[in-house]
Amino acid sequence: GEDVEQSLFLSVREGDSSVINCTYTDSSSTYLYWYKQEPGAGLQLLTYIFSNMDMKQDQRLTVLLNKKDKHLSLRIADTQTGDSAIYFCAESRGSQGNLIFGKGTKLSVKP
Amino acid sequence: ETGVTQSPTHLIKTRGQQVTLRCSSQSGHNTVSWYQQALGQGPQFIFQYYREEENGRGNFPPRFSGLQFPNYSSELNVNALELDDSALYLCASRWARENTEAFFGQGTRLTVV
Repeated sequence: GEDVEQSLFLSVREGDSSVINCTYTDSSSTYLYWYKQEPGAGLQLLTYIFSNMDMKQDQRLTVLLNKKDKHLSLRIADTQTGDSAIYFCAESRGSQGNLIFGKGTKLSVKP
Repeated sequence: ETGVTQSPTHLIKTRGQQVTLRCSSQSGHNTVSWYQQALGQGPQFIFQYYREEENGRGNFPPRFSGLQFPNYSSELNVNALELDDSALYLCASRWARENTEAFFGQGTRLTVV
């Protein structure tokens, strides 16, 4: 996962917006993903963006992609305590489409 | 619920033993990938199966092997277990080899003592 980098921690107050950032390395990646992992659980696919898009919005989630800088961000509007989890950025790699993950950003939401 | 189920959920093995982990993919998905997630790390790609053939492998030694069955369920086998093999093993399924949504199971927590 060392090719995908994320900050390790983010703390926000309930009701604020959260922005989780990610940088990736493979400019040929066709899809970029955001997954959520709650304690003791598997990975939940939140959203993904195709590399020819700049932005994708899905309810409270907004994904921004800057392909030139290989920078991906996930914005969560009106963050709730239930959003507390670890968020992983992942890029697809090669024709097989296997995923390369970052180390994850732990989001803590304070009431 | 993703429809991807893994068994067992937890497992304790002794160093040197062998282990088999199982995964049932989501209905209609013919591609299964396995990942290893060590504590505090992101998942690392082990290998992928498409229509019963391995078609991609990460940086894991040959003692990590797998199978995919005609119903697209899959097994991960690890021989000669080492302490560093302790991790959460995740299975993901997709409906094709191409880059599409990958849905993960809840994982198997393997502890090697």
